[in-house]
Amino acid sequence: DAGVIQSPRHEVTEMGQEVTLRCKPISGHDYLFWYRQTMMRGLELLIYFNNNVPIDDSGMPEDRFSAKMPNASFSTLKIQPSEPRDSAVYFCASSLRSGGSYNSPLHFGNGTRLTVT
Amino acid sequence: SQQGEEDPQALSIQEGENATMNCSYKTSINNLQWYRQNSGRGLVHLILIRSNEREKHSGRLRVTLDTSKKSSSLLITASRAADTASYFCATAGTLYNFNKFYFGSGTKLNVKP
Repeated sequence: DAGVIQSPRHEVTEMGQEVTLRCKPISGHDYLFWYRQTMMRGLELLIYFNNNVPIDDSGMPEDRFSAKMPNASFSTLKIQPSEPRDSAVYFCASSLRSGGSYNSPLHFGNGTRLTVT
Repeated sequence: SQQGEEDPQALSIQEGENATMNCSYKTSINNLQWYRQNSGRGLVHLILIRSNEREKHSGRLRVTLDTSKKSSSLLITASRAADTASYFCATAGTLYNFNKFYFGSGTKLNVKP
C-alpha cells in the first residue's frame, strides 16, 4: 500500500491567497483526520471524517478554514484567505475501525509545509 | 484539555543505552498510543496500549500504563542512532470522543553513535 498521500509537500503563498491542501487516505480506511503542527501549539486536531461525513470540526480555527471529503479516496483542506499565522505543517491521517474495536492507530501522510508570507 | 504531556522535552544518550520517556494526561482514556516522527516526515505508529492493560512489549519497545496516575512510559532498550526522532504519546477519549486523538508536545530523542 502506498500509504497516505498528501500534496503538495511544500506550499509558499502570499497573504490573502487561497490555499488548497490535498489528501488521499489509505484505501479501505473509513476515518480521515486533518492535523496542524506548529512549534508553539504542537499537533492540533482540526477536523475528522467518518465515511466521508464530517464528524467533529471543533478544531477548525476560523471560518477561513474549510474541509471536504467528496469521496472515500480524497479530501481537501482549504484556507481562504490565508494569513501568515496559518504557516504550519498540515498532516492528513487515516485509520480503519475494524472488528468493532475503537482502538485504531492513525496512519499519517508526510504533511504539507505551508508558508504564508 | 485531554492533551498528553511528554517528559523530558529533550533527551540525549549514547548508542546502546536505554531511553525512557514519560507521558501524563488529564482525563479518562480508551487507549494510549506512542508515535515516532523523523525530521520532515509524518508520525509513525509504534505501539498501542489499552486502558485495561498495564504493560506491553514490541521488539525493543516497552510501554507501561498507570491509569490511577494518568501516566505512561515508553522505554527503548539498546538504542540505535536510527532511533533519533521525536516521540509523541496520543490519547483517545471515551464514549463520543473515542476517535479524537490528542497528542502531547513530544520528546526529542538524540542517540549519539
